[in-house]
Amino acid sequence: EVQLVESGGNLVQPGGSLRLSCAASGFTFSNYWMNWVRQAPGKGLEWVANIKQDVSDKTYVDSVRGRFIISRDNADNSLYLQMDSLRVEDTAVYYCARGTTNLDYWGRGTLVTVSS
Amino acid sequence: SYELTQPLSVSVALGQTARITCGGDNIGGKNVHWYQQKPGQAPVLVIYRDTNRPSGIPERISGSNSGNTATLTITRAQAGDEADYSCQVWDTSTESVLFGGGTKLTVL
Repeated sequence: EVQLVESGGNLVQPGGSLRLSCAASGFTFSNYWMNWVRQAPGKGLEWVANIKQDVSDKTYVDSVRGRFIISRDNADNSLYLQMDSLRVEDTAVYYCARGTTNLDYWGRGTLVTVSS
Repeated sequence: SYELTQPLSVSVALGQTARITCGGDNIGGKNVHWYQQKPGQAPVLVIYRDTNRPSGIPERISGSNSGNTATLTITRAQAGDEADYSCQVWDTSTESVLFGGGTKLTVL
């Protein structure tokens, strides 16, 4: 069974940093692109970033480029999102999701709250 | 940049057919995917590449895509179909995933 479990969400002050993790199991992690998608309270889904199987390609939405870094450890079946210079508008549930052009499995998400 | 437009809400009577649209410039030339999200839960892929259902998704849920509109159709609507539905495409200009704003389906 495919499982994606996010962790690392927390309350952080504006300008602070946070590192999210996603533990994958039930499939060959190194064979898939992986993504982070977020959802602000009461809002729709917003794709944040993705990373290719071999880490050779990473893409970001404009609003986080230069502040967030996506990474992965294929030996450990883990996906990460390093978030720096956090803003109030980054407050959201962050989901880890598998796939390239469509996202076929999602985790339950982890809540990031940016507030003073 | 490419944009996807969905109605904020759609209502359907119990047992009737609901249609949720997703508009975009020549969206018929793209592959459209649909997600269902119930309150407090993660999104679930219900249609991929316009018309395909992942295993476990009932035949009552179908998709179509032509011209400037993609449509998710739910026949014999049930109370359990109440959810937010979001369309999604791969934006070739930015090489990134793009979601529509989402539609809240209410079953009356």
